[in-house]
Amino acid sequence: GESVGLHLPTLSVQEGDNSIINCAYSNSASDYFIWYKQESGKGPQFIIDIRSNMDKRQGQRVTVLLNKTVKHLSLQIAATQPGDSAVYFCAENPLAASNYQLIWGAGTKLIIKP
Amino acid sequence: NAGVTQTPKFQVLKTGQSMTLQCAQDMNHEYMSWYRQDPGMGLRLIHYSVGAGITDQGEVPNGYNVSRSTTEDFPLRLLSAAPSQTSVYFCASSYSGTGGGEKLFFGSGTQLSVL
Repeated sequence: GESVGLHLPTLSVQEGDNSIINCAYSNSASDYFIWYKQESGKGPQFIIDIRSNMDKRQGQRVTVLLNKTVKHLSLQIAATQPGDSAVYFCAENPLAASNYQLIWGAGTKLIIKP
Repeated sequence: NAGVTQTPKFQVLKTGQSMTLQCAQDMNHEYMSWYRQDPGMGLRLIHYSVGAGITDQGEVPNGYNVSRSTTEDFPLRLLSAAPSQTSVYFCASSYSGTGGGEKLFFGSGTQLSVL
C-alpha cells in the first residue's frame, strides 16, 4: 500500500546547528508534499510545501528538498533554535485534485540540545 | 481570529457511552475534517466535508458519525465508545481542499480515553 515514512523517529541537534529531517514516500504519482510541525499539546502547524515539479523550495529558515528519483523528501532547518523542538510530520497528496486523503508519516521528534 | 476551536480538550468515557466532539472555525473555510492521532502513527482521516450538507468517509470512519449543517461547525459523534477509540482527535479546515492541496489549519485537539 501507499505509505509515507520517516527514517529517524528522534533527532537531537545542538542549538545553532542545522537540522535535517528525512521522509520517504512510496507513491510515485504523488504530486504535492507538505511538512507540518506539532508542538507539545497543540495541533499540527503548516511549515512548507512543495509540488512535484520542483526540487527545492525555501522558506524562512526552512528548506524542503524533493528527490523524485528515490522518492525522498527532506526538511532542513537552519540555525536550529529551542522553539524548533517539536514533532515534524511529512505528508503526501496522492490525488492531485484535493487534499482529502493526505497520507501522513509517523513523525520525527526534534530535540534541541543547549 | 480564533481559527479552529475544539471542545472539550479532555474527555473520559466508559465503554458504550456516546459523546460529541465539537469543532468550529471562523475562517469561512469550505473544507473541514477530523483526524485521529495515535502514538507512533501519523494522522488518520476519519471523515471530511467539502461544504455544508456534504460529508464523506476517510480512512478510518467506523464508529464515528459526522454532519455539517453550517459552514462553521463540524461535530464528530461517537455513538458507542470503544477502548480502540482512545486517541487524540484533531479537527482541521482549509479554504477549499482542492487544487492539489492547501494548507490545513488544525485545532488544538481533544484527548479522549475510553475505559
